Amino acid sequence: LAKTTQPISMDSYEGQEVNITCSHNNIATNDYITWYQQFPSQGPRFIIQGYKTKVTNEVASLFIPADRKSSTLSLPRVSLSDTAVYYCLVGGRMDSSYKLIFGSGTRLLVRP
Amino acid sequence: EAGVTQSPTHLIKTRGQQATLRCSPISGHTSVYWYQQALGLGLQFLLWYDEGEERNRGNFPPRFSGRQFPNYSSELNVNALELEDSALYLCASSPLTTDTQYFGPGTRLTVL
Repeated sequence: LAKTTQPISMDSYEGQEVNITCSHNNIATNDYITWYQQFPSQGPRFIIQGYKTKVTNEVASLFIPADRKSSTLSLPRVSLSDTAVYYCLVGGRMDSSYKLIFGSGTRLLVRP
Repeated sequence: EAGVTQSPTHLIKTRGQQATLRCSPISGHTSVYWYQQALGLGLQFLLWYDEGEERNRGNFPPRFSGRQFPNYSSELNVNALELEDSALYLCASSPLTTDTQYFGPGTRLTVL
């Protein structure tokens, strides 16, 4: 299962765009890239998922280059409530050995 | 649509006791996953159940076990509790057709 590497923490200010990059050099052909957001003492919340190129939804965009060895979560115009831990995960349920491995995540702090 | 539910919200046990945690997946979801999150740390994969069978487990001792019922709800049992078992236990579910996991609010287990 592909291991992911993310920055431990990031700081930003309200209204700015935040880009969090995740490295996953050993991503397999069938693996998807998924991002979750987690607030303290709560379960992670699904943000976005993609396989290649660009995916956009109402809360974020996900950019995936052609080699898929990295991905970037883009949060437009962050607010204080976006302060959370963001997890990048890579994997797919292709066989019975599937399991989702969460890394240490990126702690995003949004300041006023 | 109701989300993943977990019970109890909080559970306090003493060392050596047994704990039982319960999870109800989103309606229509057949897979249930269990994770352990110690305070301030990332999520550690525990168990994956699908269609009533254990599909995979993480690097946890055998005293961590569980089961999935015909209605796809699940139980996590932790025997011979140790102090380091104190953590937030998260349950997630996913449908058959996608790997996206939806998390419940968690059960906070405290072992004294």
